[in-house]
Amino acid sequence: QITLTQQAESLWVSPGEKVSITCRASQSLLYTDGKHYLSWYQQRPGQTTKALIYHASIRTDGVPTRFIGSGSGTEFTLSIEDVQPEDIALYYCLQTLKKPWTFGGGTKLELK
Amino acid sequence: EVQLVESGGGLVQPGASLKLSCVASGFTFSDYWMSWVRQTPGKTMEWIGDIKYDGSYTNYAPSLKNRFTISRDNAKSTLYLQMSNVRSEDTATYYCTRGDYGYNYFDYWGQGVMVTVSS
Repeated sequence: QITLTQQAESLWVSPGEKVSITCRASQSLLYTDGKHYLSWYQQRPGQTTKALIYHASIRTDGVPTRFIGSGSGTEFTLSIEDVQPEDIALYYCLQTLKKPWTFGGGTKLELK
Repeated sequence: EVQLVESGGGLVQPGASLKLSCVASGFTFSDYWMSWVRQTPGKTMEWIGDIKYDGSYTNYAPSLKNRFTISRDNAKSTLYLQMSNVRSEDTATYYCTRGDYGYNYFDYWGQGVMVTVSS
């Protein structure tokens, strides 16, 4: 199965800063259709888990433009520019290229 | 508004069985693949498996396929997870998720239901 590694368990950030969360896959997540099957999710306490990005870089409806997904092959990044207090959450990457679908270990974004 | 509401969790003894339900609303349930995902107390996320929109096909995580069964009743817009011979390591919050129309990612998640396996 494909392993996803989110190196940082926690990242500390101040409001207004930029932060990047990385996700590394054990094999390329590029499919023959030219799309990467990597998505990002935000989990805030008391709220349902929210999809932020799919196909590595496409924001889902209503997601603020400060959330930017990038990367290709096996290396992916979720960047949050101008971090807001409401961005403090757990973030996961997920691959849907090959079953079993697998998640990264999660990165907790915390306030400095 | 899309809603996924799980139920059926609680405290269960090792070796017992438990059936979780997820009632969907706000969309045509029979048009979408659905999955179950669980999150351990340590926050590790694990995909359990999924079921095709018409219920004709299921997939499971290899480590769980012998004990967990996913089914659906499209007439009731309900997804099920039958758990058997549960173990302490099955203690987790269980989420029902919807695959987006092309099944590229999970576009909606339920709020989750907790299952605690303990004697």
